[in-house]
Amino acid sequence: EVQLVQSGAEVKKPGESLKISCKGSGYSFTSYWIGWVRQMPGKGLEWMGIIYPGDSDTRYSPSFQGQVTISADKSISTAYLQWSSLKASDTAMYYCARNPHYGDPHLDYWGQGTLVTVSS
Amino acid sequence: QSVLTQPPSASGTPGQRVTISCSGSSSNIGSNYVYWYQQLPGTAPKLLIYRNNQRPSGVPDRFSGSKSGTSASLAISGLRSEDEADYYCAAWDDSLSGPWVFGGGTKLTVL
Repeated sequence: EVQLVQSGAEVKKPGESLKISCKGSGYSFTSYWIGWVRQMPGKGLEWMGIIYPGDSDTRYSPSFQGQVTISADKSISTAYLQWSSLKASDTAMYYCARNPHYGDPHLDYWGQGTLVTVSS
Repeated sequence: QSVLTQPPSASGTPGQRVTISCSGSSSNIGSNYVYWYQQLPGTAPKLLIYRNNQRPSGVPDRFSGSKSGTSASLAISGLRSEDEADYYCAAWDDSLSGPWVFGGGTKLTVL
């Protein structure tokens, strides 16, 4: 069974750093892309970026380029999304999802989401 | 402002057929596949339709997708209370807005 399990909810202060994770199981982790999607409170879905764990090829949405870093450790089948300096506007639910082909927004399995709250 | 335009809300009564539209441009829907996602309250999104009109295994055939020109539609027939959710369209976009773009979402209410 394909599963993506994300790390737990986080409460941080502005300016702090954060790294959240997404662990894949039940499939060949290095053969599929892992994408990240943001959902701000009461808002829609926004694609942030994507990584291919097989060779760490990473692509970012223009809106998120330079704002976050996506990485992966294929030895433990885990992808990461990190911030170096959080802002209150980063408060959102973040989802990871599996993608068979970067050329299409085909996200066939999703993690349960990680809620990030940034508040002073 | 989302690149793909969806109505913010839609509604129907049980058993009815409802459609949700998704309007784009030549750089996205007009030249690429459309995907639809369903997000039930408090849960992660779920892939509902891929490549314009294909259903993943397990998705009831009450759900169907279509595309014409720069617009796409999701149709739900035999509406059920458990279909009450947010629905999002998505597509690859060849312009600087992309490469992946989502619609703003449509909240479907089953009356």
